Amino acid sequence: AQSVTQLDSHVSVSEGTPVLLRCNYSSSYSPSLFWYVQHPNKGLQLLLKYTSAATLVKGINGFEAEFKKSETSFHLTKPSAHMSDAAEYFCVVSFTGNQFYFGTGTSLTVIP
Amino acid sequence: KAGVTQTPRYLIKTRGQQVTLSCSPISGHRSVSWYQQTPGQGLQFLFEYFSETQRNKGNFPGRFSGRQFSNSRSEMNVSTLELGDSALYLCASSLVGQEMGPLHFGNGTRLTVT
Repeated sequence: AQSVTQLDSHVSVSEGTPVLLRCNYSSSYSPSLFWYVQHPNKGLQLLLKYTSAATLVKGINGFEAEFKKSETSFHLTKPSAHMSDAAEYFCVVSFTGNQFYFGTGTSLTVIP
Repeated sequence: KAGVTQTPRYLIKTRGQQVTLSCSPISGHRSVSWYQQTPGQGLQFLFEYFSETQRNKGNFPGRFSGRQFSNSRSEMNVSTLELGDSALYLCASSLVGQEMGPLHFGNGTRLTVT
């Protein structure tokens, strides 16, 4: 069965420190992987996507993620957090065309 | 290119009423999906339409229905509203046939049932 797990429901970091949001998936297929960000009362915005090209994917706003097949992980990182990064982050996996599976989300708090 | 447009942004309805939400996808996108987002259940997939046909369906009761028109615009209808239907309803569109995703989301319709 296919699934996606975000390992932390809440993450707090100080402004200027690194961000790590963790995501693991399970699948017998090669997935496409995405990270989305959602600010309050807004829709989800695509941060980055992995579709079997380079394993290190760079996205918008300084975020990047690395696909590690051996660990079935796709963790999101950013070297230095900004206040504007405070939001909800979703890891999303697609295994077969247009069926998407969402993680439960990680709420990121940035402390000034 | 214009993004995904959802109307209305906010709705307040009474239990037992019905509601119709609208979604206009990005030009050229043929797949439209609907999601319900609540604090308790997170993001839950409702259904996906492609070329006016429902292709995938989530685990929601028959009170939730949708359709897609020939111009790819989609509507979602909820009949006999319940308090638990209060949620942010998100629509997403995507290109089909080129790659798996990504989904492009609208800003949602906030439905409050009283």
